[in-house]
Amino acid sequence: AQSVTQLDSQVPVFEEAPVELRCNYSSSVSVYLFWYVQYPNQGLQLLLKYLSGSTLVKGINGFEAEFNKSQTSFHLRKPSVHISDTAEYFCAVSDSGGSNYKLTFGKGTLLTVNP
Amino acid sequence: NAGVTQTPKFQVLKTGQSMTLQCAQDMNHEYMSWYRQDPGMGLRLIHYSVGAGITDQGEVPNGYNVSRSTTEDFPLRLLSAAPSQTSVYFCASRLGPWETQYFGPGTRLLVL
Repeated sequence: AQSVTQLDSQVPVFEEAPVELRCNYSSSVSVYLFWYVQYPNQGLQLLLKYLSGSTLVKGINGFEAEFNKSQTSFHLRKPSVHISDTAEYFCAVSDSGGSNYKLTFGKGTLLTVNP
Repeated sequence: NAGVTQTPKFQVLKTGQSMTLQCAQDMNHEYMSWYRQDPGMGLRLIHYSVGAGITDQGEVPNGYNVSRSTTEDFPLRLLSAAPSQTSVYFCASRLGPWETQYFGPGTRLLVL
């Protein structure tokens, strides 16, 4: 069975500082990896996804993530955050083959950007 | 396209009552899912469907039923509401396992 661990439940940072949100996954097969963002009182929307190919994936709003197969990680980064990036971020994994169609989410990381 | 729509937005139930949370999508997506979101627990999968007539259990299926008679609709039924089912419920759909999953706006449910 697949699973996702987000190592930090909360990450406070100052505006214009860099940030890294950590995500580790486990799966017995190849995976697709996703980062979603949830702004207050809203549903989730996709930031970026890794399907195959280049391990560095760029998403919306200046975010990027790097897939590391040996470390089973998919950490999310942004070089300079804004107040508007304050939100909850979810890492998710989906098996890329077989009959497992589930998209499994981590517990989320609350990013708070302070002025 | 309206995307994924959910009704109602808010609902208050008494313990033991039943209700149906509605979910519809107009993107012709085969894959649809129901999640519940609770503080500190992330999103937990309740039930999912890979096409009309095909449903399966997720991580926390007890107390919930689903059916998928059409591609567009995927209602979630609470059979006998319990306070532990107080949560925010999200419906989602996607074209395939590699595709972006689109979420509805959510239904906030309070069970007294």
